[in-house]
Amino acid sequence: AQKVTQAQTEISVVEKEDVTLDCVYETRDTTYYLFWYKQPPSGELVFLIRRNSFDEQNEISGRYSWNFQKSTSSFNFTITASQVVDSAVYFCALSEGSYNTDKLIFGTGTRLQVFP
Amino acid sequence: GAVVSQHPSWVICKSGTSVKIECRSLDFQATTMFWYRQFPKQSLMLMATSNEGSKATYEQGVEKDKFLINHASLTLSTLTVTSAHPEDSSFYICSAELAGAPYEQYFGPGTRLTVT
Repeated sequence: AQKVTQAQTEISVVEKEDVTLDCVYETRDTTYYLFWYKQPPSGELVFLIRRNSFDEQNEISGRYSWNFQKSTSSFNFTITASQVVDSAVYFCALSEGSYNTDKLIFGTGTRLQVFP
Repeated sequence: GAVVSQHPSWVICKSGTSVKIECRSLDFQATTMFWYRQFPKQSLMLMATSNEGSKATYEQGVEKDKFLINHASLTLSTLTVTSAHPEDSSFYICSAELAGAPYEQYFGPGTRLTVT
């Protein structure tokens, strides 16, 4: 069965610190997709990244970077030089690769609080 | 582009009444829409998958007679909570999948339902 684990329930940092949010997944499929979403206090989910199982290259987008390691079934997310606006709940999600089963399985989320 | 709207953004209703929530893809066609429920400080749980012109597929444990889903067009899906009870109070979020582009889901801003 598919499962996404975000062991960190809540993280607090001071502005400008780097922070890494962990995500570990389980799936029996060889083809799958991994996602990160941000949910600010307003509630609306903001898409951050999608990665397919065949692309293990790390990705950097501004202050955000992602480390995908199939060997450890992890897809970790790092925010460099965190800012107060980064305060939100971050969800990691998994989708199977089957065309008929593209529903998302979400982790329990990590609440990030960045203090000034 | 790829904007999804939900209406209403929040609603308060009395126990025993029914509430309809609309999910619209504003600038794209969505053959598939998903409905999620999120309780406070918890993750998103998929309730059902809605395909245009066919019956919705409900996740295990979700009462199809209580949560009626209609996907009448390529841009509109509705969720009706029938005979609402206080335990149905939650944040309901829909997402729309771009037609012909699986795994590209766009989320609506959510609807907060409070049943008194």
